[in-house]
Amino acid sequence: GQQLNQSPQSMFIQEGEDVSMNCTSSSIFNTWLWYKQDPGEGPVLLIALYKAGELTSNGRLTAQFGITRKDSFLNISASIPSDVGIYFCAGQLGGGSTLGRLYFGRGTQLTVWP
Amino acid sequence: EAGVTQFPSHSVIEKGQTVTLRCDPISGHDNLYWYRRVMGKEIKFLLHFVKESKQDESGMPNNRFLAERTGGTYSTLKVQPAELEDSGVYFCASSLGGAGHYGYTFGSGTRLTVV
Repeated sequence: GQQLNQSPQSMFIQEGEDVSMNCTSSSIFNTWLWYKQDPGEGPVLLIALYKAGELTSNGRLTAQFGITRKDSFLNISASIPSDVGIYFCAGQLGGGSTLGRLYFGRGTQLTVWP
Repeated sequence: EAGVTQFPSHSVIEKGQTVTLRCDPISGHDNLYWYRRVMGKEIKFLLHFVKESKQDESGMPNNRFLAERTGGTYSTLKVQPAELEDSGVYFCASSLGGAGHYGYTFGSGTRLTVV
């Protein structure tokens, strides 16, 4: 199956610092997505990217769809305590019966110290 | 509108027992997905329903897992008999259209522990 390599596995940062995490794959994806999971909750979509090279922002979050369509990164600027959680990248191949199925990375656990 | 609801939120069972997880999708969402996350690993796809039909069940690990979606509304995922490696968080998600991530809403998950 498809494998997404997400790094880093965990990050411990101070409030106000910027954060960067990325995801790579051996396969080409048509869509890249970034989700955040808070404790006891399900993943919530942060940003969706649909075109190679696309750079999209959502508040303090910025994500890019790699030009090769095999990677993506997520940046969080000026982190705050509520940014704590697990961040997942996900890719969607698209087409045929697998349309809709997502392939996820292992997640990046973010801890923000006040 | 109500979100995706999963029940129970936690379940602890002994190896060899049977457990049934339930998912109520957002009303009107034809697409329903089951995923599972084993601790520290990626969230893995199990299967995809479109209404009551199984569109893609290629992620189901073995025949101890049975998913149903009677009448195209709620879905159940039964594990029988449960094994230790079945422990993890089982997520359900639903979406309106066939484009997958558009309106792809996850439930809070069921944490299953097999002892």
